[in-house]
Amino acid sequence: KAGVTQTPRYLIKTRGQQVTLSCSPISGHRSVSWYQQTPGQGLQFLFEYFSETQRNKGNFPGRFSGRQFSNSRSEMNVSTLELGDSALYLCASSSTGTSAGGELFFGEGSRLTVL
Amino acid sequence: GQNIDQPTEMTATEGAIVQINCTYQTSGFNGLFWYQQHAGEAPTFLSYNVLDGLEEKGRFSSFLSRSKGYSYLLLKELQMKDSASYLCAVRDRAAGNKLTFGGGTRVLVKP
Repeated sequence: KAGVTQTPRYLIKTRGQQVTLSCSPISGHRSVSWYQQTPGQGLQFLFEYFSETQRNKGNFPGRFSGRQFSNSRSEMNVSTLELGDSALYLCASSSTGTSAGGELFFGEGSRLTVL
Repeated sequence: GQNIDQPTEMTATEGAIVQINCTYQTSGFNGLFWYQQHAGEAPTFLSYNVLDGLEEKGRFSSFLSRSKGYSYLLLKELQMKDSASYLCAVRDRAAGNKLTFGGGTRVLVKP
């Protein structure tokens, strides 16, 4: 069974640009959560999608958005990039989602550097 | 909101035992997870506690006291490969059951 796949693994952008990150969950998993990980703030919750619906959202500005497709694949987008957006973005999938006690399976992450 | 505290770093010797504490404050506690994350890798699930008591899984055990807002992860017979960050995460019903992570505890195992 393939794990959670995130693309791209590494990317460099400049301030003001926008970026789209992709996540393919484990086959059969309908819940996808996104987290931002930085040395100073740790793992911070961005949003969770379940069956194409956003089920939960963290405290991030509107520049951060996401969506989920009918095949459960998810994308997140960050517009008007700022230096502080440099981070590791982790995607996690679950069969039932965190509300039902589902264990999260994480991908390797997409490391974004904003110059 | 939620407050999850765990020590930043701990050092222990190979073969020894290390206990990583995690304290939390939530409005609607609905489960606590421990994850292990090696440098440059994805976090991997270690344990889940929702009721008070000790859950044992081989060399790793996790304890929960809901009344005290306290959990610990116990690593026994430490091995060099246990050098990693250990993340405590709490699910809060009052926050839509999203998982909130602590800052993580970096454990360094020395020979």
